[in-house]
Amino acid sequence: DAGVTQSPTHLIKTRGQQVTLRCSPKSGHDTVSWYQQALGQGPQFIFQYYEEEERQRGNFPDRFSGHQFPNYSSELNVNALLLGDSALYLCASSTGRGGYTFGSGTRLTVV
Amino acid sequence: DAKTTQPPSMDCAEGRAANLPCNHSTISGNEYVYWYRQIHSQGPQYIIHGLKNNETNEMASLIITEDRKSSTLILPHATLRDTAVYYCIVRPNTNAGKSTFGDGTTLTVKP
Repeated sequence: DAGVTQSPTHLIKTRGQQVTLRCSPKSGHDTVSWYQQALGQGPQFIFQYYEEEERQRGNFPDRFSGHQFPNYSSELNVNALLLGDSALYLCASSTGRGGYTFGSGTRLTVV
Repeated sequence: DAKTTQPPSMDCAEGRAANLPCNHSTISGNEYVYWYRQIHSQGPQYIIHGLKNNETNEMASLIITEDRKSSTLILPHATLRDTAVYYCIVRPNTNAGKSTFGDGTTLTVKP
């Protein structure tokens, strides 16, 4: 049973560049949420996608954008990268009822 | 979203029960209590959730007070592999319900 798959697992980018992270949800899940987790802190909610629309958004600037595809997979895009964007980016899928299933995350380092 | 308050850290002896408290005094009537844990460098793992009745599964038990303002996660026989950060979250059980994580409780199980 495939859980949540995230790619890539690690990424190094330069300040000012753009990055796209990808997420395939668990089979049967239709809702995808993205989180940013800085070292030593809890995950911070970025946004949530359901039915290909952004339903909820956390306190993140417009540089953070996303997309959900008809097969429920999702992308997170970050433009104009800052050093402070270095973090573990987590994708979580759900059906709306019940707990989230998290992926192992993408470790983004901005240099 | 309702916020939760958890102690930053707790210790537990291996083989003993670990009781992790959580306060959620502003919880709304339609919000469930969810618990997750995160082992270093992995994505959070769903443990259990409940609305107002006590719940038990193969991983843990969840005790919710009658006024629903607090809850306790119980790991009945803690092992060294239960050492992790434990997060308590409240959210509606719908696709529109985002999960807001705090800083959690770092549980250290000692031999």
